[in-house]
Amino acid sequence: DAMVIQNPRYQVTQFGKPVTLSCSQTLNHNVMYWYQQKSSQAPKLLFHYYDKDFNNEADTPDNFQSRRPNTSFCFLDIRSPGLGDAAMYLCATSRGYGGSGGVEQFFGPGTRLTVL
Amino acid sequence: AQSVAQPEDQVNVAEGNPLTVKCTYSVSGNPYLFWYVQYPNRGLQFLLKYITGDNLVKGSYGFEAEFNKSQTSFHLKKPSALVSDSALYFCAVVEGVYNTDKLIFGTGTRLQVFP
Repeated sequence: DAMVIQNPRYQVTQFGKPVTLSCSQTLNHNVMYWYQQKSSQAPKLLFHYYDKDFNNEADTPDNFQSRRPNTSFCFLDIRSPGLGDAAMYLCATSRGYGGSGGVEQFFGPGTRLTVL
Repeated sequence: AQSVAQPEDQVNVAEGNPLTVKCTYSVSGNPYLFWYVQYPNRGLQFLLKYITGDNLVKGSYGFEAEFNKSQTSFHLKKPSALVSDSALYFCAVVEGVYNTDKLIFGTGTRLQVFP
């Protein structure tokens, strides 16, 4: 089945130690999104790629970076994780911008990040 | 700016009873509305969407939602709840229709279905 895969499912890192989260998709979608979700709150969009074009949200901290080396893969890099960065990180994809606003996003299972 | 509100943090319902999870929206143009469900330690799953057309939208797992323009609501419904429907439900609206299709989520409603 076509899907969105996130690795690892659980990641533990130390305060200040860089960490990379991985997302891959077999849907061949143009757009890949990264969300941060804390304690069953609403997911918060960090940034997204439309193909190779990177779109950062205005309030995303500089500590968060992303790479998309090809259509299938997208990475979230946290350069110096703080305790406040402990959260579930969700990757999502969509086949493009809907134009009519109707394109749904497909989510991966998430990576739960713990910062010690 | 577009926004959605979910007025209930939690909804409790007995198995077999109908359920409703409420959502109201605020948009400056035509609303494009979505419902997603999240099971524990999982990502979000798309349930249904309203773009245009029939006000009653049918989605996955027997869920449906009714778009009401006069009340600016998009409530999620199911005629007969299952214990397995217990999860966190998010209503969302699209912002930036022609640019980014950015999803703006509500705060979520936890549905608890009791046997």
